[in-house]
Amino acid sequence: GAVVSQHPSRVICKSGTSVKIECRSLDFQATTMFWYRQFPKQSLMLMATSNEGSKATYEQGVEKDKFLINHASLTLSTLTVTSAHPEDSSFYICSAPYSDLRETQYFGPGTRLLVL
Amino acid sequence: AQSVTQPDIHITVSEGASLELRCNYSYGATPYLFWYVQSPGQGLQLLLKYFSGDTLVQGIKGFEAEFKRSQSSFNLRKPSVHWSDAAEYFCAAVLGSSASKIIFGSGTRLSIRP
Repeated sequence: GAVVSQHPSRVICKSGTSVKIECRSLDFQATTMFWYRQFPKQSLMLMATSNEGSKATYEQGVEKDKFLINHASLTLSTLTVTSAHPEDSSFYICSAPYSDLRETQYFGPGTRLLVL
Repeated sequence: AQSVTQPDIHITVSEGASLELRCNYSYGATPYLFWYVQSPGQGLQLLLKYFSGDTLVQGIKGFEAEFKRSQSSFNLRKPSVHWSDAAEYFCAAVLGSSASKIIFGSGTRLSIRP
């Protein structure tokens, strides 16, 4: 089946620094990718929809200047957490639909971010 | 408001016992429905999905789910659980004709009693 990878799998950074997380579709092209945030023992909350060649669409309450999304190619979307703070510590997950969203979405393994 | 509800936060069953995890959705039309499993530190894996047709769908790892329109439910079942089934289970739905995003339930954590 299709595979979505994320890099890094975990990252620890100091408060005030920026962290970039990559999401790649390894064997298919994805014009759309989704970024989620998952707090411990909670569900996935959609943060934004990443659109290849255009601006990302952010969910209500998500700061677009804080969470920069770049979908530079049909196989790569990046999420940059700018000026990270301890409250940004979380599990970030990306996903990509194989074709139409009604079809199977493939999820990356997630990136654990810890901001000290 | 459109939503997906999993009323059980945590369920414990004995190994070999049957399992049913509940999921309800709130939407005017029939959504596209999914069940995902997440093991600790792992990504989400699709267990099964319902788009249309037969309301009883079979998935991987011996799971099945039944769509009941009258109850707005899509409950996940397994006749005999294994210790390896211990994980977090998420019901999800794509709501709306534009199919712009997927909405997840809050999840049910399954523990297996030896």
